[in-house]
This record gives sequence, structure tokens and C-alpha cells, in this order.
Amino acid sequence: NAGVTQTPKFRILKIGQSMTLQCTQDMNHNYMYWYRQDPGMGLKLIYYSVGAGITDKGEVPNGYNVSRSTTEDFPLRLELAAPSQTSVYFCASRLGQNYNEQFFGPGTRLTVL
Amino acid sequence: AQKITQTQPGMFVQEKEAVTLDCTYDTSDPSYGLFWYKQPSSGEMIFLIYQGSYDQQNATEGRYSLNFQKARKSANLVISASQLGDSAMYFCAMRDGSSNTGKLIFGQGTTLQVKP
Repeated sequence: NAGVTQTPKFRILKIGQSMTLQCTQDMNHNYMYWYRQDPGMGLKLIYYSVGAGITDKGEVPNGYNVSRSTTEDFPLRLELAAPSQTSVYFCASRLGQNYNEQFFGPGTRLTVL
Repeated sequence: AQKITQTQPGMFVQEKEAVTLDCTYDTSDPSYGLFWYKQPSSGEMIFLIYQGSYDQQNATEGRYSLNFQKARKSANLVISASQLGDSAMYFCAMRDGSSNTGKLIFGQGTTLQVKP
């Protein structure tokens, strides 16, 4: 199993540009999450999904959108990039309600200039 | 509101010695879970240990143990016999058990440096 994969690893955007961060897991996990980590800080939840077709907002959803059309994929969309969205983005997945561990992807480092 | 607090921005420890990283939490839910993650300089998040709020015994995983004091709302990580490879950022996190969504709330982290 590849686990949780994220693309791209690095990206530089100009203010106002859009992009999609890709996240895929091959563990048949129902639950998926997007977090962001600002420099020197802990992770904050952006969006999460408890299954295909179901998504909900986390702590810091403004400026982002998600979709979950399949169990495997959970892309994160930035529509109008702003410097405040400069961060490292982590995708994570969890098998189900009765399982504790969240498996994290390697992260995407995004800079908005 | 739920909150995780890590009051030690940075810690030093001598190789082969034990070190305790502090974590306090705040929640009104009776069911919750507490996690510790390690983030080395390469950036990935590595799961270390988990403690459920109803677990009677402190969790242990190899050289890692979680000192869970429910009344004090603390969940300190103890690393025994520190190794140079333990140098990293460590995050304490809490899962809200009542909602079953598995959402994690993270502390700000503690940077641990192991001296040879």
C-alpha cells in the first residue's frame, strides 16, 4: 500500500490564482481530513469527510472547497489564493469510527506571493 | 471549547536520558482520545501513541509512554533512553469522541533536541 499520497509536494502561486491539492489513499479508509500547518504552529482542520459524498467544515474552511466523489480521493481547492494561505497542507485518513489512528500524507508546501 | 496546550516551546535532553513533554487539555466531553505525533525536520507526521479517556492504564509503545492524569487533564509524553533520532517537533492532539468524526485538535508543539 502507498498509504496517503499528496501532489504536488511544492507549489508557488501568485495572488488570485487557483489550484487543487490532490490527496489519494489506497487503504479503503472512510474518513479523510485536510489540515494546514502554519510556520511554528500545530495543525488546524480545514475540511473533513466521513465518506464518499459527505463533507463538512473544520476550524478554518474559509477560502477552500473540497469534494469527495470517491472513497480514495479528497481534493482541496483554493479558488483565489491569498498570502494568508501560505502553509503546509496535510491530508490524512482514518479507517472508520472505531479506529483511532489517522494516517498522514507527506504534505504539500504552498507559497502564495 | 476544546483546547490543547503545550507550554514548552523547546526542550533539550542528553542522549540516553529520559524526557517528559507536557500536554494539558480542556474538554467537557466525557469521551475523548489523546494522541502524540512526531514531526521530524523532513516534515512528515508520525503517530506515536494513543490514550483513550476511559482507558484504565497508561498507554505504552516501546520507548514512549503516556502519563495520563485525568483529574489534572494532562497527558504528558515520556520518552525513555533518548536517541539522536528523537530530535524533532512533538505534537499533542485531542480527538472529540462524542461526535465520532475523528477531528483532531493540535497543540502548538514542542521542539526536542537530543544532545550527544
